[in-house]
Amino acid sequence: NAGVTQTPKFQVLKTGQSMTLQCAQDMNHNSMYWYRQDPGMGLRLIYYSASEGTTDKGEVPNGYNVSRLNKREFSLRLESAAPSQTSVYFCASSERASQTGYTFGSGTRLTVV
Amino acid sequence: DQQVKQNSPSLSVQEGRISILNCDYTNSMFDYFLWYKKYPAEGPTFLISISSIKDKNEDGRFTVFLNKSAKHLSLHIVPSQPGDSAVYFCAAISRGSNYKLTFGKGTLLTVNP
Repeated sequence: NAGVTQTPKFQVLKTGQSMTLQCAQDMNHNSMYWYRQDPGMGLRLIYYSASEGTTDKGEVPNGYNVSRLNKREFSLRLESAAPSQTSVYFCASSERASQTGYTFGSGTRLTVV
Repeated sequence: DQQVKQNSPSLSVQEGRISILNCDYTNSMFDYFLWYKKYPAEGPTFLISISSIKDKNEDGRFTVFLNKSAKHLSLHIVPSQPGDSAVYFCAAISRGSNYKLTFGKGTLLTVNP
């Protein structure tokens, strides 16, 4: 099983450029999430989608937009990248009330210069 | 306001000894707790969980203890192995939160041979 697949794995952007991080899951999960991980800050929720057709803001949504394209795919878009968005981004999916929580992708390391 | 706190950024133990990782929380609505393990350049993976109606859950070398009155949980690894060296995240979830996990900042465990 592929689980949660994120693309790309690495990306360098210039300030002001835009890009979309892609995420797809093959576990038929209803819920999907985008987190960022920064040194000393742990994992912080950016946006989530509780089910297909719905999206909601998390703890740190500013500067980001999301699209739940279908049940499998949940993309994260940076419209105008800033150095503060340099981070490692993780996509995750879950079935509601799962006792094992989320399944995470392997991450996208983004650097904004 | 940090609802899940891991106050030790790092912990170093000798192979074969016990590792104890601690986690405190402030939100009394949390009713399910999870531990994730993360290796460099990989996504977090589920390790063990505990419901708020229990005070202990064991899975092989890993045991999680929950003290609700103190709003404290701990992860015990016995015996510790070099392959356990990783960042460990404590996470919590509350009823009605749309199954959003709140993570601590993580503790880097190093097990020395």
